[in-house]
Amino acid sequence: NAGVTQTPKFQVLKTGQSMTLQCAQDMNHNSMYWYRQDPGMGLRLIYYSASEGTTDKGEVPNGYNVSRLNKREFSLRLESAAPSQTSVYFCASSEWLLIDSPLHFGNGTRLTVT
Amino acid sequence: QKEVEQDPGPLSVPEGAIVSLNCTYSNSAFQYFMWYRQYSRKGPELLMYTYSSGNKEDGRFTAQVDKSSKYISLFIRDSQPSDSATYLCAMSAKRGGSYIPTFGRGTSLIVHP
Repeated sequence: NAGVTQTPKFQVLKTGQSMTLQCAQDMNHNSMYWYRQDPGMGLRLIYYSASEGTTDKGEVPNGYNVSRLNKREFSLRLESAAPSQTSVYFCASSEWLLIDSPLHFGNGTRLTVT
Repeated sequence: QKEVEQDPGPLSVPEGAIVSLNCTYSNSAFQYFMWYRQYSRKGPELLMYTYSSGNKEDGRFTAQVDKSSKYISLFIRDSQPSDSATYLCAMSAKRGGSYIPTFGRGTSLIVHP
């Protein structure tokens, strides 16, 4: 049982390049999330998907797009990468967007934009 | 001012010490309080959660919530080197029909032998 799987683990981009971060979960969860984690800033929500077919903006959505491909997969796209997007990106899932549905995280994608 | 404040540390303690990790918050609507543990180069994992004011114990860990002071704590007894990690507090309130946790910045804990 893999839980939440993120690919790639590491990526280096040049400014202006695009890329898609992939996330898949095998826990039959309905809700999925993308966070970024920066030193001194903690975890900040980029986008989330309450259920298949829906997506909503979080705290820091600018510069990103998401796709909920199916119940298992939720991808994050950077159309034109900027150095400010250098960060560690975490995907998470939960059974529902309920108060007592804990988040299960992947192990992150470490992205550097030069 | 961030909704959830947490001192990033690092906090360095000797093995066997009692550790106290703390968060304060400003939003009185927060109802559900969590602690996540994050090892280096890994994703956070849920350690403990509680709804109410008071204490909740799980082995060497005790979570404490004081809603009147908007203050939560995590105590670790008999700390071990394997407890060395970043501890993130998180809390949830209903926003637009959903509950999405707000995280603190995390406190880095180092337990040295």
